[in-house]
Amino acid sequence: AQKITQTQPGMFVQEKEAVTLDCTYDTSDPSYGLFWYKQPSSGEMIFLIYQGSYDQQNATEGRYSLNFQKARKSANLVISASQLGDSAMYFCAMSAGNTGGFKTIFGAGTRLFVKA
Amino acid sequence: SQTIHQWPATLVQPVGSPLSLECTVEGTSNPNLYWYRQAAGRGLQLLFYSVGIGQISSEVPQNLSASRPQDRQFILSSKKLLLSDSGFYLCAWSRGTGGSNTGELFFGEGSRLTVL
Repeated sequence: AQKITQTQPGMFVQEKEAVTLDCTYDTSDPSYGLFWYKQPSSGEMIFLIYQGSYDQQNATEGRYSLNFQKARKSANLVISASQLGDSAMYFCAMSAGNTGGFKTIFGAGTRLFVKA
Repeated sequence: SQTIHQWPATLVQPVGSPLSLECTVEGTSNPNLYWYRQAAGRGLQLLFYSVGIGQISSEVPQNLSASRPQDRQFILSSKKLLLSDSGFYLCAWSRGTGGSNTGELFFGEGSRLTVL
């Protein structure tokens, strides 16, 4: 069975510092994708970054980078130079190929608080 | 460009009443469509997904049903709501299989349902 685990219910970070949000996953499918989404208090889900299981390099998108350690089955999100607007819920997610389409499962989320 | 819209944004319904949430996607064809539910302060639970018209897969046994009468229309329904149906419902789409599709999800604005 596929599973995503986020063990940090809440995290605090000082503005302008970096923060790492943890995510571990479990799947028996050799082909899968890992995602991070941000959910502000408004409720919308915003895509941040993607890592494919066969990608050799860690994904980066601006201030976001994904620390992909395949052997450990971890896909931690690193946010550099935190900003007040980064305060939100962050979800790690995984999709694995299945016949005819994709299904994405989500972790429980980590609430990030950025302090001024 | 592609857009996704779901409505209504907010709904307060009595126990035992019916439900209909609608979601439409524009600017793409043959998308995969999804309904997720998010309980307060929790992660997203996949309820239904569809890879084509009339093709619905249910992930969890429940009081809800889904239909896809048109390629870009996805409807979540219930004949009789329960208190436990309260939550934040998110419709999403992803590109169909093949090519460079990563499985990234694009979400609607969400519908907040309160069952009293």
